[in-house]
Amino acid sequence: QVQLVESGGGVVQPGRSLRLSCAASGFTFSTYAMHWVRQAPGKGLQWVAVLSSDGSNKYYADSVKGRFTISRDNSKNTLYLQMNSLRAEDTAVYHCARASSSIFGVGKLWGQGTLVTVSS
Amino acid sequence: QSVLTQPPSVSAAPGQKVTISCSGSSSNIGNNYVSWYQQLPGTAPKLLIYDNNKRPSGIPDRFSGSKSGTSATLGITGLQTGDEADYYCGTWDSSLSGEGVFGGGTKLTVV
Repeated sequence: QVQLVESGGGVVQPGRSLRLSCAASGFTFSTYAMHWVRQAPGKGLQWVAVLSSDGSNKYYADSVKGRFTISRDNSKNTLYLQMNSLRAEDTAVYHCARASSSIFGVGKLWGQGTLVTVSS
Repeated sequence: QSVLTQPPSVSAAPGQKVTISCSGSSSNIGNNYVSWYQQLPGTAPKLLIYDNNKRPSGIPDRFSGSKSGTSATLGITGLQTGDEADYYCGTWDSSLSGEGVFGGGTKLTVV
């Protein structure tokens, strides 16, 4: 079954860290670039980061640059998002998504998301 | 404030046609492919259109996409009550270091 399953969300205090994981199955993970997209409660989609299939190219939204790190382990079919110095405005459901025909497009395979709440 | 501008809401009657616009600039829509997503309440977004006008397998031809200059449009014909959802356009922005961008979303009401 082709799917993406996120985990690692939860409640965290401002300034602390959290690592999200995205487990891929049913397709050749190592051949696809992967994105993180988030959605704050009641708000629209916000792109977060993308990582190329071999991990050599990565891009970040300005709002998370320097605080978040996207990485992957192709041997474990898993994508990660290390989130440091978390802020209240980082509160959102975080989705991982497979890229489309190029690294720059978010494709049709999305995970259901994991909720991150930053609050004291 | 989103980089891509969409109308907050549109509405139409069942069976009718509706279009949703997405306006950007030369650094995003003008030089990159546009995708469209449908999001039903409580669910993950679903890809409707990619590469401006291509439909993934399983997406009915009631959904269409087009692009002209720095704007893109999603069209939906034969509206059904099940089409009530939020719709988002998305693309890449090639300015500065490059980043993905989405529109603010459009709520479609079928009345």
